[in-house]
Amino acid sequence: AQSVTQPDIHITVSEGASLELRCNYSYGATPYLFWYVQSPGQGLQLLLKYFSGDTLVQGIKGFEAEFKRSQSSFNLRKPSVHWSDAAEYFCAVGAGNFNKFYFGSGTKLNVKP
Amino acid sequence: ETGVTQTPRHLVMGMTNKKSLKCEQHLGHNAMYWYKQSAKKPLELMFVYNFKEQTENNSVPSRFSPECPNSSHLFLHLHTLQPEDSALYLCASSQGTTNTEAFFGQGTRLTVV
Repeated sequence: AQSVTQPDIHITVSEGASLELRCNYSYGATPYLFWYVQSPGQGLQLLLKYFSGDTLVQGIKGFEAEFKRSQSSFNLRKPSVHWSDAAEYFCAVGAGNFNKFYFGSGTKLNVKP
Repeated sequence: ETGVTQTPRHLVMGMTNKKSLKCEQHLGHNAMYWYKQSAKKPLELMFVYNFKEQTENNSVPSRFSPECPNSSHLFLHLHTLQPEDSALYLCASSQGTTNTEAFFGQGTRLTVV
């Protein structure tokens, strides 16, 4: 069965520091992978996606993620965090013929001034 | 503007009430989804519709009744809910094929009293 694990529930980084959020997935076939961001009380906004090809994908707001098949990972990175990046981040895998989406439990990011 | 609109944004209902959540997408997508987001739990996929047909019911209690009259509209009819049903209910849409992402609405914050 497909599943997504985000091992870090909360992360705090200083503004300007680099960021890496971890994501591991379990899926038998070729995964379609996503990172979404959610501000309080809002829906989810797509940051980036991986379907195939280059394993390093660029997204919006300066985020990038790297797909590593051997490690079943799709970690999200940003070289310099801004205070406006404080939010909750969700990793997801798309599965099945009709593209069901399964989400991790999320990582809440706090940014210190 | 995400292209997926949910109404109402907030809803308070008693356990004996009947209410409906509405979702509308303006993206020309063929698949629509209901997710439940509770505190400290991963997003739970509830229902999936493709071309108006239900293709997934993730063991959701019958007090939640979805309706999809066309590919652009999705409803979630609620009746005799329990306090533990209080959550953020998110609607999403996608092309319904592989290699596509989900687009989310802003959610309906439901409180059952």
